[in-house]
Amino acid sequence: QQQVKQSPQSLIVQKGGISIINCAYENTAFDYFPWYQQFPGKGPALLIAIRPDVSEKKEGRFTISFNKSAKQFSLHIMDSQPGDSATYFCAASGGSGNTGKLIFGQGTTLQVKP
Amino acid sequence: DTAVSQTPKYLVTQMGNDKSIKCEQNLGHDTMYWYKQDSKKFLKIMFSYNNKELIINETVPNRFSPKSPDKAHLNLHINSLELGDSAVYFCASTSVRVLGETQYFGPGTRLLVL
Repeated sequence: QQQVKQSPQSLIVQKGGISIINCAYENTAFDYFPWYQQFPGKGPALLIAIRPDVSEKKEGRFTISFNKSAKQFSLHIMDSQPGDSATYFCAASGGSGNTGKLIFGQGTTLQVKP
Repeated sequence: DTAVSQTPKYLVTQMGNDKSIKCEQNLGHDTMYWYKQDSKKFLKIMFSYNNKELIINETVPNRFSPKSPDKAHLNLHINSLELGDSAVYFCASTSVRVLGETQYFGPGTRLLVL
């Protein structure tokens, strides 16, 4: 119940294309769903986050789509750029005794080709 | 600069040795975490401290012992290092006053046990 499943494991997109990464969760008590971006040799950094009271959140070229009934959420990167090449992690937190504990997905390595 | 810092950045050591990793944050956060990222990039929480009190203690061998001397510091001591301890260890911090507050990650400590 504590798992967050992420797919695909790796993704190759042409510059200007749309990158889509999907995540699914089981625990309905989760109430915070962030996406983190990690460049090689660096720590993860928050990219965008959503709460279940909205179905979509957009920040620049990055959009989270959230489907509460399906317990799924996804990250869309519009007009993908080579500088977006990184590993992306979805995560979830919340529930009784919430301590800010983040459960991470397995990660998706994105490569944007020029 | 405001940030989460970790020392050392790299740590190469022999099996059976004892080593420590230090973490400091100057963001004024009251909660700090240790994560382990394995060779497949999977991120898993190990420990969390809130105001120097241990609040998360995942299934981690008791060879790992965290210590928080104050809100701004969280250290990780590892006894009798094993080959399987080789990984990147990340420290992170947040403020639990706002649930789901962004977790800020440090740059990581790359531990290699030979």
